[in-house]
Amino acid sequence: GQQLNQSPQSMFIQEGEDVSMNCTSSSIFNTWLWYKQDPGEGPVLLIALYKAGELTSNGRLTAQFGITRKDSFLNISASIPSDVGIYFCAGRGGTSYGKLTFGQGTILTVHP
Amino acid sequence: DTGVSQDPRHKITKRGQNVTFRCDPISEHNRLYWYRQTLGQGPEFLTYFQNEAQLEKSRLLSDRFSAERPKGSFSTLEIQRTEQGDSAMYLCASSWTGEETQYFGPGTRLLVL
Repeated sequence: GQQLNQSPQSMFIQEGEDVSMNCTSSSIFNTWLWYKQDPGEGPVLLIALYKAGELTSNGRLTAQFGITRKDSFLNISASIPSDVGIYFCAGRGGTSYGKLTFGQGTILTVHP
Repeated sequence: DTGVSQDPRHKITKRGQNVTFRCDPISEHNRLYWYRQTLGQGPEFLTYFQNEAQLEKSRLLSDRFSAERPKGSFSTLEIQRTEQGDSAMYLCASSWTGEETQYFGPGTRLLVL
């Protein structure tokens, strides 16, 4: 089945630093989504990407849909303490309209 | 504008008991999804509905699991004869046909003792 490899697994950074994380897949995806999850809560959508090569920003967040359709990355600029949380990538493949496949998550810790 | 809601938020049960969770999607969304998330992992797809039709089920959804969406609005997920391995966060999401983005609820955390 489809697998998503998300890296890094965790990051410890200083406030103000930029952050980069990525996801790679063994299969092609038609949609890439990035979510943030706080402990005990559901994932909250950050950015949605629909076309290969698409680059989309949401405030300090920027994400790109890889040209090969097998990867995506998320950048966070000038991190702040409230960026702390777990970031997940998710992809939707061509064989299922419903199923999202998630990465393992990147745990982000920001030191003030 | 209300988001996806789930009830209860937490459930503790004894092994062998049945449990039922409810999800209310965003009102104009016709697609509803169930996922399960264990500690340290990303959510895993269980099943999804378009209106009242259940269109896809994961192999994770064993015979003890059943989901319904009888009127195409809210959905229930029932687990019969719970096992300790069922302990997880159960997440519901919804979307509109043609829009790829799924919006998640806060989840129901299940602990089976």
